[in-house]
Amino acid sequence: ETGVTQTPRHLVMGMTNKKSLKCEQHLGHNAMYWYKQSAKKPLELMFVYSLEERVENNSVPSRFSPECPNSSHLFLHLHTLQPEDSALYLCASSQGSGENYNEQFFGPGTRLTVL
Amino acid sequence: GQNIDQPTEMTATEGAIVQINCTYQTSGFNGLFWYQQHAGEAPTFLSYNVLDGLEEKGRFSSFLSRSKGYSYLLLKELQMKDSASYLCAALDSNYQLIWGAGTKLIIKP
Repeated sequence: ETGVTQTPRHLVMGMTNKKSLKCEQHLGHNAMYWYKQSAKKPLELMFVYSLEERVENNSVPSRFSPECPNSSHLFLHLHTLQPEDSALYLCASSQGSGENYNEQFFGPGTRLTVL
Repeated sequence: GQNIDQPTEMTATEGAIVQINCTYQTSGFNGLFWYQQHAGEAPTFLSYNVLDGLEEKGRFSSFLSRSKGYSYLLLKELQMKDSASYLCAALDSNYQLIWGAGTKLIIKP
């Protein structure tokens, strides 16, 4: 595997389900990101992890819970979602963050549908 | 507030040239990125400008004017595979990316 991978690619869940999205980067980067992408809207940054420490949490509802067990893996745990949470969830990684920022590399995303 | 503006959709002809504009208003500025995103795929990095002027990379060029808060992406010799969304993003003083909604580019034969 190369680059940034995400699983599953598609997910349909009910509002009472619990599911997790997985992201893995094979680039040796030290920062990882979760974004939400809705149709015709800008990418919304949800969470940022740098060196496995959460450095950004943009007022995301608690029904989204991130986990970064090491610098290569990032999870997004989902619980009691709403239909408006249906979107494409993108994971990205970069070498460096803050003043050492470099371009982000994105995974293909998970298309989430909440019924 | 912080804001990025770019056209929602543009149409161009195969073999032609197209310019996609982006204006930004951010708290501080540390550079401007362009990404390409084909439908159902990951955004991929195209260019980064932090100084005024034109950066050329093959058929794609990106321009920045910091004083005007303005950038454009220029695509030459358009090919059908260039049909995609083009995302503009500015890096603010906190090194956070502020994203535009993207410009969907449709290439016609």
